[in-house]
Amino acid sequence: QQPVQSPQAVILREGEDAVINCSSSKALYSVHWYRQKHGEAPVFLMILLKGGEQKGHDKISASFNEKKQQSSLYLTASQLSYSGTYFCGTSVLGSGNTGKLIFGQGTTLQVKP
Amino acid sequence: EAQVTQNPRYLITVTGKKLTVTCSQNMNHEYMSWYRQDPGLGLRQIYYSMNVEVTDKGDVPEGYKVSRKEKRNFPLILESPSPNQTSLYFCASSLRQNTEAFFGQGTRLTVV
Repeated sequence: QQPVQSPQAVILREGEDAVINCSSSKALYSVHWYRQKHGEAPVFLMILLKGGEQKGHDKISASFNEKKQQSSLYLTASQLSYSGTYFCGTSVLGSGNTGKLIFGQGTTLQVKP
Repeated sequence: EAQVTQNPRYLITVTGKKLTVTCSQNMNHEYMSWYRQDPGLGLRQIYYSMNVEVTDKGDVPEGYKVSRKEKRNFPLILESPSPNQTSLYFCASSLRQNTEAFFGQGTRLTVV
């Protein structure tokens, strides 16, 4: 039931782009994205609700494809500050209003100068 | 300052000795949740609460209890801790479900 994130790890040079995928075996109500730096608490990036929406702020955006039961996080022109572990959290359709949230195992992103 | 406060930040205890990890938020949020984080497993939800006196099991509730008697507080109780509960624990709150969550700084628990 845990969503699967891919890749597990990625190393980039500053300015390069990256895509992190989050796939579920169940129909989804919402997808949540968080970034966690080493030794710190997770920090909110964005939430996408069913309806196939796309969101973005600054150079980080995400899409949610209900039919494919997956979401993708896009990081463009990466900066050193983007380094960290990215988690997607999913609420399953039917339990979306209950608050139950299941996170993927995380994708570690390292941006080098 | 808007924040989620967990205490203690670090705790070493022995098997079977009851303990409570406190969580408090000052943002008048309805939704609160507890997670444990273990290497390679990501964040796993233990319990969540939609409002005062409303709590429900997350993905890994076994061995834990919670209560929500006041809106601001959501303590996590381990009645009889075991070594497999050694983990990093996070409390989080949000205005309601499916909105931005604010995480506490974490509690690193070691059960020996």
